[in-house]
Amino acid sequence: GQNIDQPTEMTATEGAIVQINCTYQTSGFNGLFWYQQHAGEAPTFLSYNVLDGLEEKGRFSSFLSRSKGYSYLLLKELQMKDSASYLCASLDSNYQLIWGAGTKLIIKP
Amino acid sequence: GAVVSQHPSWVICKSGTSVKIECRSLDFQATTMFWYRQFPKQSLMLMATSNEGSKATYEQGVEKDKFLINHASLTLSTLTVTSAHPEDSSFYICSAPSPTSSYNEQFFGPGTRLTVL
Repeated sequence: GQNIDQPTEMTATEGAIVQINCTYQTSGFNGLFWYQQHAGEAPTFLSYNVLDGLEEKGRFSSFLSRSKGYSYLLLKELQMKDSASYLCASLDSNYQLIWGAGTKLIIKP
Repeated sequence: GAVVSQHPSWVICKSGTSVKIECRSLDFQATTMFWYRQFPKQSLMLMATSNEGSKATYEQGVEKDKFLINHASLTLSTLTVTSAHPEDSSFYICSAPSPTSSYNEQFFGPGTRLTVL
């Protein structure tokens, strides 16, 4: 079957660094997405990885290991506005997105 | 960047009535659009793939006669929830693939919150 696992909730302090992990098992693999979703709003694109390694984009970085079926999203210099749910999604062999349940990130002052 | 709009953003209706939700790609054409449903604290669940000029493709367990999808043009797809019941109350989100992305990046609409009384 197809499965995406990520922690349900994480808490971090403003100004700190947090890493959100995601493991995936899908039928084929054509890349992994991270989306940010604020409560009551639609998801917004953060990153896409298809090759192993780290992709850095400002305060956010995303890492992928295809052999391990593992990815993480790294958020640096946390701001209160980063409080949101972070969704991991794998693109399977049919180019269909398989979504994780999301990780709710709570930022405390 | 590409923009996808949805209308209405929220709707409250009585049980047994039908509700239509529109999804529009504002500055690009979309031959395919996706409809998702999201219950509180849960992930996005793909309901169906809307195809311009042909029938929608529904995911397993989604009743096609209850959730009517019409992809009337290259910029508009509609989802009609027929004979809505309280258990249909959810956040409905549409998306369209980016016309320029090589890896199927999706642009999401702002979502429609449906409450059925």
